[in-house]
Amino acid sequence: AQSVSQHNHHVILSEAASLELGCNYSYGGTVNLFWYVQYPGQHLQLLLKYFSGDPLVKGIKGFEAEFIKSKFSFNLRKPSVQWSDTAEYFCAVIASGGSYIPTFGRGTSLIVHP
Amino acid sequence: EAQVTQNPRYLITVTGKKLTVTCSQNMNHEYMSWYRQDPGLGLRQIYYSMNVEVTDKGDVPEGYKVSRKEKRNFPLILESPSPNQTSLYFCASRSRGLHGYTFGSGTRLTVV
Repeated sequence: AQSVSQHNHHVILSEAASLELGCNYSYGGTVNLFWYVQYPGQHLQLLLKYFSGDPLVKGIKGFEAEFIKSKFSFNLRKPSVQWSDTAEYFCAVIASGGSYIPTFGRGTSLIVHP
Repeated sequence: EAQVTQNPRYLITVTGKKLTVTCSQNMNHEYMSWYRQDPGLGLRQIYYSMNVEVTDKGDVPEGYKVSRKEKRNFPLILESPSPNQTSLYFCASRSRGLHGYTFGSGTRLTVV
């Protein structure tokens, strides 16, 4: 079965700082990868997804993620964070050929100070 | 508007009193899932359904039941709730194939 690790549990940044949140998965086959964001008191929303093709994926609100197959990673990046990016971020993976049910990481809490 | 609707948003109940959290989606999605979210544990899947009358256990199914009699509805049933089921619950749905989930707004359940 696949698993997902998010190494940073809590990240605190100042506005305009650059962001990189780590996500590693364990599965030897083809995977599809997602990043979700959960703003305080709200439900999860899809930020971006990777299925195939260009490993650099651009999502909403200036976020991007890079799939590096050799490292089993799908790190989320943003060049310059804003206070409104304060949220919890979840990485998820779907292993092709299985039940197509996603496995989520434990989440990373991001706080951005104005 | 395409959405997943959960009810209620907040619920406080007593140990042992059966309850149902409803979930309905209007997108004709085949897949539906229930997750619970707890601090430090992220999202853990309770049950999922790949289509009508097809359900399967997730990672933490103990103490929960589900049913999928119609495509749009996927209720979560707690026959005898216990305090360790106090949590934030999310229903989610997606279409067949490789798509992201659409999540409901969540149900915050407290069992005293």
